[in-house]
Amino acid sequence: DVKVTQSSRYLVKRTGEKVFLECVQDMDHENMFWYRQDPGLGLRLIYFSYDVKMKEKGDIPEGYSVSREKKERFSLILESASTNQTSMYLCASSLQNSGNTIYFGEGSWLTVV
Amino acid sequence: AQKITQTQPGMFVQEKEAVTLDCTYDTSDPSYGLFWYKQPSSGEMIFLIYQGSYDQQNATEGRYSLNFQKARKSANLVISASQLGDSAMYFCAMSGYAGGTSYGKLTFGQGTILTVHP
Repeated sequence: DVKVTQSSRYLVKRTGEKVFLECVQDMDHENMFWYRQDPGLGLRLIYFSYDVKMKEKGDIPEGYSVSREKKERFSLILESASTNQTSMYLCASSLQNSGNTIYFGEGSWLTVV
Repeated sequence: AQKITQTQPGMFVQEKEAVTLDCTYDTSDPSYGLFWYKQPSSGEMIFLIYQGSYDQQNATEGRYSLNFQKARKSANLVISASQLGDSAMYFCAMSGYAGGTSYGKLTFGQGTILTVHP
């Protein structure tokens, strides 16, 4: 069974903390993505990666960075968490050229207080 | 740039009836894909159906069908014979192709909350 696993489902962090959200996929997918979901806005792309050590900015990269040291793992980093980063974060992965087969993780609910 | 618009924040339907969720899109890409996802309260994104822009026939998957009208740039989801378990948030999304390659990067609409009444 294919799987995208997000390490934490629920997190509460303090303003100014450094936050790591981890995502691991077991399907040998080249592409990985981080989205955030907010009411009334749908999902918006933060960053994506086509290959190891490669990253591209999405639509809302400000305040975030990413790391992809291994093919199966894509980390989202909040260098200094702020309350406006309270959101649901979703990781996804897909094959290099199979754009209609995209798998999502279960989501991470982050609250910054 | 791509844009997806879902104009129905919430929809209500009686169990066993059909319901249509609206989705319109805008893109300058000559080739693209259209998706519908279901998101229950647990938060997971469940893939429902996919339509390629060059597919001649409307996509169907069980009780789900995608009413694709390319000239009108619409990709409405039709759920037949609604069930209580269909109550969830539904997202329409689009991917683009660059140089013949789709990277799976999606643009999402705002979502529609569907409530199925017994």
